[in-house]
Amino acid sequence: DQQVKQNSPSLSVQEGRISILNCDYTNSMFDYFLWYKKYPAEGPTFLISISSIKDKNEDGRFTVFLNKSAKHLSLHIVPSQPGDSAVYFCAAGRYGGSQGNLIFGKGTKLSVKP
Amino acid sequence: SQTIHQWPATLVQPVGSPLSLECTVEGTSNPNLYWYRQAAGRGLQLLFYSVGIGQISSEVPQNLSASRPQDRQFILSSKKLLLSDSGFYLCAWSEKGSYFYEQYFGPGTRLTVT
Repeated sequence: DQQVKQNSPSLSVQEGRISILNCDYTNSMFDYFLWYKKYPAEGPTFLISISSIKDKNEDGRFTVFLNKSAKHLSLHIVPSQPGDSAVYFCAAGRYGGSQGNLIFGKGTKLSVKP
Repeated sequence: SQTIHQWPATLVQPVGSPLSLECTVEGTSNPNLYWYRQAAGRGLQLLFYSVGIGQISSEVPQNLSASRPQDRQFILSSKKLLLSDSGFYLCAWSEKGSYFYEQYFGPGTRLTVT
């Protein structure tokens, strides 16, 4: 059972436009969510996070929106740049315990065309 | 600053051969450590995590094992590799007590079992 779902395996966007990457989750007990960016043959890099008590977090060109009632979050990249082309993973976690385990989605491949 | 190292970067091994992948973290102490696998076309699958020396938890039953002989060293092993063990293996760490338990990933090891 997939607790974190990224239903779009790929997304293509024109440079300068907005990229919107979506993520759905099934477990209402998740306390926080993170987005990671991954280039081929490299490890994922942490991008941005949001607590379940917030509905928006912004960091430069990246904004994450959380809709708890819909169990949905999205990552907005504005404006999109060719260097943003990568696979983006959504992840979710819960407080409690000390291990800090995250549940990852399968990723969405973003292509930003010049 | 903290850095995480993995080696080797690539590995080609025959079916039935043993495996040893190593991960070390610098610049932090008593981190949580994780082993993930990314198989072709799939997301990040958590294999093992460790909250301290000698403490290993397995998420997925398989022919792989993990050990943590030192605080900042995490090793992934197998006695006999299967074809299905091919994939991209990632080590990650997180800081205990951090708000989001964001995980920081190493560069990964590409394993091909032939």
